[in-house]
Amino acid sequence: QKEVEQNSGPLSVPEGAIASLNCTYSDRVSQSFFWYRQYSGKSPELIMSIYSNGDKEDGRFTAQLNKASQYVSLLIRDSQPSDSATYLCAVNSNNNDMRFGAGTRLTVKP
Amino acid sequence: KAGVTQTPRYLIKTRGQQVTLSCSPISGHRSVSWYQQTPGQGLQFLFEYFSETQRNKGNFPGRFSGRQFSNSRSEMNVSTLELGDSALYLCASSLDVGYGYTFGSGTRLTVV
Repeated sequence: QKEVEQNSGPLSVPEGAIASLNCTYSDRVSQSFFWYRQYSGKSPELIMSIYSNGDKEDGRFTAQLNKASQYVSLLIRDSQPSDSATYLCAVNSNNNDMRFGAGTRLTVKP
Repeated sequence: KAGVTQTPRYLIKTRGQQVTLSCSPISGHRSVSWYQQTPGQGLQFLFEYFSETQRNKGNFPGRFSGRQFSNSRSEMNVSTLELGDSALYLCASSLDVGYGYTFGSGTRLTVV
């Protein structure tokens, strides 16, 4: 079982819709959870962090964490073509490393 | 505030050679992590340094090594290069465990 799993996609949504990205992780003692966005040819960019169960909202982005289910998600409301990118879920355990999922490629169609 | 600086941006090496990549973290960040990114494997963790100490290492052969200097700058070395080492090598800095990373632009290594 991979440590951090994501649907590779591609996920395609129309402009203005909600994009839902999901991630599961295997290490139960994981403490910190992140979402990164990576545009083609660029390096990953941190967009959200979440540390406790529940929802965390930042603008059009909402991260959701459920530690009991070992599940993290990212919702993008009012999706824009500029949101088209690969979204990487990352989980930081107590081992001083951050493990990344393979990423979900999102395309927002005008 | 300056970002994470990686040099060089591009490298072409031949099999059997060795290469050294450099990373300067954001000022005040003492944790530096290195990742290899390939289309097939995604982001693979190489190692993490904090205050000149390697705290953790990923599942890469001993040909991959690194170090961190007292000013938090880090270098990564790959010896006896193989074709499969062709990848984008990313450096990321953070304040410490539990904080998000800021990535550099990466070094694209091509082994021919």
